[in-house]
Amino acid sequence: KNQVEQSPQSLIILEGKNCTLQCNYTVSPFSNLRWYKQDTGRGPVSLTIMTFSENTKSNGRYTATLDADTKQSSLHITASQLSDSASYICVVSGITANQGGKLIFGQGTELSVKP
Amino acid sequence: DGGITQSPKYLFRKEGQNVTLSCEQNLNHDAMYWYRQDPGQGLRLIYYSQIVNDFQKGDIAEGYSVSREKKESFPLTVTSAQKNPTAFYLCASSIVFQNTEAFFGQGTRLTVV
Repeated sequence: KNQVEQSPQSLIILEGKNCTLQCNYTVSPFSNLRWYKQDTGRGPVSLTIMTFSENTKSNGRYTATLDADTKQSSLHITASQLSDSASYICVVSGITANQGGKLIFGQGTELSVKP
Repeated sequence: DGGITQSPKYLFRKEGQNVTLSCEQNLNHDAMYWYRQDPGQGLRLIYYSQIVNDFQKGDIAEGYSVSREKKESFPLTVTSAQKNPTAFYLCASSIVFQNTEAFFGQGTRLTVV
């Protein structure tokens, strides 16, 4: 069972609209949770990195939230632009001895912004 | 400019051949990683190196080999023992192992012909 589950798998929205992507994880305890944006055929680029004590972090039109109690994170995109079309990947870093800080990747949410 | 560079961007391999993917970074990072990305799946760790002259197997190391003779270089060889090598390969680096920001290269798409 994947320890990091993202939803929805894919999403289509109109330019200018807002959207929220979800990430549920079972990795515990964890060191940090990250959101990456990956354009088609390119490497992932970091959007935010949050420790377990942080609830919200913003990066321009991107706002990530974290609820360590329910083990849920969300990425909210405001006033979407065509360039937001990409895959968004949630990554959790564990800290236990057998995880050794290992990065555990979600399968990604494919976002398509249409004009 | 500092960054992490993968080459080539596209690579074609005949069955039975070994091929080597290049990864170079000038960020002075100790740790480097190789991931494989397949459609609909999360990135999977192939090999990682915490420091020069050291490397460890990841979750899917079979059919792959690496070396870390220089801090800035971490090449990945896909051997003929890898039965399903067609995939998108990503190299990454971080200041220290795992718990800090990871920077990714642009990827190499390997296709078996």
